[in-house]
Amino acid sequence: DAKTTQPNSMESNEEEPVHLPCNHSTISGTDYIHWYRQLPSQGPEYVIHGLTSNVNNRMASLAIAEDRKSSTLILHRATLRDAAVYYCILNNNAGNMLTFGGGTRLMVKP
Amino acid sequence: DSGVTQTPKHLITATGQRVTLRCSPRSGDLSVYWYQQSLDQGLQFLIQYYNGEERAKGNILERFSAQQFPDLHSELNLSSLELGDSALYFCASSANPGQIIYEQYFGPGTRLTVT
Repeated sequence: DAKTTQPNSMESNEEEPVHLPCNHSTISGTDYIHWYRQLPSQGPEYVIHGLTSNVNNRMASLAIAEDRKSSTLILHRATLRDAAVYYCILNNNAGNMLTFGGGTRLMVKP
Repeated sequence: DSGVTQTPKHLITATGQRVTLRCSPRSGDLSVYWYQQSLDQGLQFLIQYYNGEERAKGNILERFSAQQFPDLHSELNLSSLELGDSALYFCASSANPGQIIYEQYFGPGTRLTVT
């Protein structure tokens, strides 16, 4: 499986945008880029996914580099409820199981 | 609320015992996945079932087994329990008709403590 690299932790102020980076230099052409997050004491929660083009949904935006070797999850206005561990995961059509790395622990300050 | 339910919420048992964890997927989802989350190993995929058939296997110990029933609920059986099996066990479900990537919806987890 292609690996992802994320910073261990990041801090943000409430109501400010947050950019969470992910490097995946060995990504293959069929790998989708998924983001999940895990709030304290809860199961992981799907955030967004994409293949080549940038994606937006009600939770976040996903910006994918042109060479697809990196991506950025953008939370447009961080709230205290966004404090969680964010996982960047590569997933291809061969199987749908998710391989979680260490993720980025996002702390949001009021 | 993801729509995935797991029972029980907490389970405390002794080494050597056997337990069964239960998962009901979201309505209409055919795929069920089991994951284990421990402090030292993080979140690890164990096994996947799709419409009653085993689809994929991850780092699942031989002491562990799972099945998916005709009503699509799934059970994870853990036997000869060891202290190291203490962890959070999550079930997830997705539509997954086979060739398209679908997001997974996770349940609230079962916290297993082996003493």
